[in-house]
Order: sequence, then structure tokens, then C-alpha cells
Amino acid sequence: QVQLVESGGGVVQPGGSLRLSCATSGYIFSNYAMHWVRQAPGKGLEWVAFISYDGSIDRYADSVKGRFTISRDSSKNTLYLQMNSLKVEDTAMYYCTRERRGFYSEYWGQGALVTVSS
Amino acid sequence: DFQMTQSPASLSASVGDRVTITCRASQGITNSLAWYQQRPGKVPKLLIYAASSLQSGVPSRFSGSGSGTDFTLTISSLQPEDVAIYYCQRCNTGPFTFGPGTAVDIK
Repeated sequence: QVQLVESGGGVVQPGGSLRLSCATSGYIFSNYAMHWVRQAPGKGLEWVAFISYDGSIDRYADSVKGRFTISRDSSKNTLYLQMNSLKVEDTAMYYCTRERRGFYSEYWGQGALVTVSS
Repeated sequence: DFQMTQSPASLSASVGDRVTITCRASQGITNSLAWYQQRPGKVPKLLIYAASSLQSGVPSRFSGSGSGTDFTLTISSLQPEDVAIYYCQRCNTGPFTFGPGTAVDIK
């Protein structure tokens, strides 16, 4: 069965960096595009970033463009989100998701909590 | 800037009621729309993709319709386990914007 497991969350000061990982299993990783979606405490869902199945295309929300980088390693079946210049407003649960054909988020991980605070 | 809006922001209905949630895109997105359900304390779940296709395992009381800019999610007979926040999402191209959500509870 498809499994997505995020790791790397934690507490970081404003201006700091963090890298999230999403380990995947149960399917052919290199066949599917992936997303990162976040949810601030008590708030709605916010799409963060997308990467195509082969890593050749990426897209970012304006709120993270230039600060976050999405990447993938097919040899490790793992998705990453490098987050730099973190702001208090980046505090959220971060979910990795696997697409159903057509960019729909069919499978979701349990999330990794990122807290940006001084 | 592209935007997704949803109405109502919240609703309260009785068990067995028919419930309708509306989602509107600020620009046409053909039928590239998804609906997700997020129960309290849980991870979001894909309900509907391509505006009207029911995801495998989702009860048939859920249905979606619409194309272009206006979309609808309908629950034909509300059940206690349907208490959740429902989100629509643009899925034709980036940014893959979510709507603000509609909270559904039982009267």
C-alpha cells in the first residue's frame, strides 16, 4: 500500500533553515508527481510546491517562492522541501502528497510540524 | 491574482439532509477541480477529482458537478461521519490554490 512519511520538522528561529523529507513506499516513486501542502494551526490548507514525476518541472506558491526548494531523489524514493529564510508565518503542519493523474492529491502523509519562533 | 472562493463558510444541517457547497474560481479551470474532506484532527482526504469523478472508496452520497468557474459538492443525505471541513482545489496548473473551506456540522 502507498505510504508517505514526513520527517525533519521542528522548532527553528526566524531566518533559519530546515529540510523536510518525505519517504515513500508502495508504488513506483519516479512515475508520480508530488506536492507539499501546509496548514497553519486552526487555518485552512495552503498549497506550497509541486514537482513533476521526473523532477524537471517545479512550481511554488508566491508566499514561499525564492525561499523554499522542492526536490526528489528517485534512488531513495524520497521527496524533500528545503526551507530557508523562515518566517513566523511559515509555522504549520507540512504534508507531502502524491498525485492522482492530473495534479490531484490522492495520498497524504501524516504531516511534519514546523514551528518558527524566537 | 487567481482565487478560489467557497460558500457558505459554514453550515449546520440535520442527519439525512441534502447539503450543497459551492466553489468558484476567479478564472476558468475547465473541469480540473478537486474536493477534499478533512475531519477534525485528521489528514485531508480526496473525495472528488476532475470536478465530478468519485474517488475510489468514497460513499456514493457524495457527488460533484460544474465546469469553468462554478462548481458544486453535494452530500445527498448527511451522515454524522460527514462532520468535517470541505475544501476545493484548482488542479489545472500552478498555483494549485485551495478554497478557504466550508465547515459542515450536524444540527
